[in-house]
Amino acid sequence: KQEVTQIPAALSVPEGENLVLNCSFTDSAIYNLQWFRQDPGKGLTSLLLIQSSQREQTSGRLNASLDKSSGRSTLYIAASQPGDSATYLCAVVAHDYKLSFGAGTTVTVRA
Amino acid sequence: DAGVTQSPTHLIKTRGQQVTLRCSPKSGHDTVSWYQQALGQGPQFIFQYYEEEERQRGNFPDRFSGHQFPNYSSELNVNALLLGDSALYLCASSSAGAFNQPQHFGDGTRLSIL
Repeated sequence: KQEVTQIPAALSVPEGENLVLNCSFTDSAIYNLQWFRQDPGKGLTSLLLIQSSQREQTSGRLNASLDKSSGRSTLYIAASQPGDSATYLCAVVAHDYKLSFGAGTTVTVRA
Repeated sequence: DAGVTQSPTHLIKTRGQQVTLRCSPKSGHDTVSWYQQALGQGPQFIFQYYEEEERQRGNFPDRFSGHQFPNYSSELNVNALLLGDSALYLCASSSAGAFNQPQHFGDGTRLSIL
């Protein structure tokens, strides 16, 4: 059974600081890994998808890396802003086609 | 282009009742998955529907059932509601076989059991 862990569970930083969010998974036989953002009481917004053959993906201030062999992914958010405050979730897709999620990292960016 | 839409947005029920939640997938998507998200936790996979059949199922009891219609929309039914069923229920849509395309989520239905 795939287990996904996110560390830390919560993070508070001053505006402008870079954010580093970690995700680990136990079964490296994955198709891809996705990072999502969730605002309070809302659904999930897809941020980045990294295919199993890729090492990283970038979108604006976001960069996600993937080390499939060690079961790790890292999401970097450069120059954080108060609008980046949200919960960030990582999820992997394996042979069973379903998303297996971590519990998320709740980020607060202080103005 | 409408994304994934879910209804209702909020629902309050009492123990023992049954509930039906609805989802319309993003245009062009034919696969619908349902997830349960308890407070402070990540979403847990309930089941997935494709071609009107349940293709995959997570570790949920038979009280949870679903249906997919010819227009790809889907329903999630929960019978004999328990207090522990209180959660945000999320619907995600995707295209069959497009494993390297992101799944799109709706805003969810918040179910509260009294």
